Amino acid sequence: DAGVIQSPRHEVTEMGQEVTLRCKPISGHDYLFWYRQTMMRGLELLIYFNNNVPIDDSGMPEDRFSAKMPNASFSTLKIQPSEPRDSAVYFCASSLVGLAAAQETQYFGPGTRLLVL
Amino acid sequence: AQKVTQAQTEISVVEKEDVTLDCVYETRDTTYYLFWYKQPPSGELVFLIRRNSFDEQNEISGRYSWNFQKSTSSFNFTITASQVVDSAVYFCALSESNAGNMLTFGGGTRLMVKP
Repeated sequence: DAGVIQSPRHEVTEMGQEVTLRCKPISGHDYLFWYRQTMMRGLELLIYFNNNVPIDDSGMPEDRFSAKMPNASFSTLKIQPSEPRDSAVYFCASSLVGLAAAQETQYFGPGTRLLVL
Repeated sequence: AQKVTQAQTEISVVEKEDVTLDCVYETRDTTYYLFWYKQPPSGELVFLIRRNSFDEQNEISGRYSWNFQKSTSSFNFTITASQVVDSAVYFCALSESNAGNMLTFGGGTRLMVKP
């Protein structure tokens, strides 16, 4: 079975440009999560969806960040305009059900390494 | 608020040594879930284990073992007879039942196993 798929794997852009990161969750998974990993802040949850509906976006840093999930098999995280401090690895993860279910976990994609110059 | 502390930022051992990675957590919830993930040099996050607060049994999986102690709020991870392939960053994470599906990660421990 295919795991979580993210694209692109690497992105280099200039400050002020729009960046769009894409994620395809594992088929049948109802939950989708976006995380950011930086040296300073570690791994932090940005937003998560349940059945395509955003449930908690309290981790989204500011209005420059937006996330959508138009259908069960696709999500985007957009940064507009991008800034150098947005440079990080962005992970998408999915889970079949919520973590309250016994033995459930989140399955992570390979990440997108973003560098904003 | 939930919090996870991995006090060891970096550990270096020689192959075949045993090594323990510490994880201490804070939570006010009586029901919570603990996780360990491995991040090898390639960058992906690999799930290793989950433990529920109501199940304090320790776990062994091959060379890996986990010691969950609610009395000290710790969920430590031991690798026996370490191998070079164990070199990675290891993350401990916590999810509270009242926090939805949020995973709070510790800062990670970088393990370097030298031949």
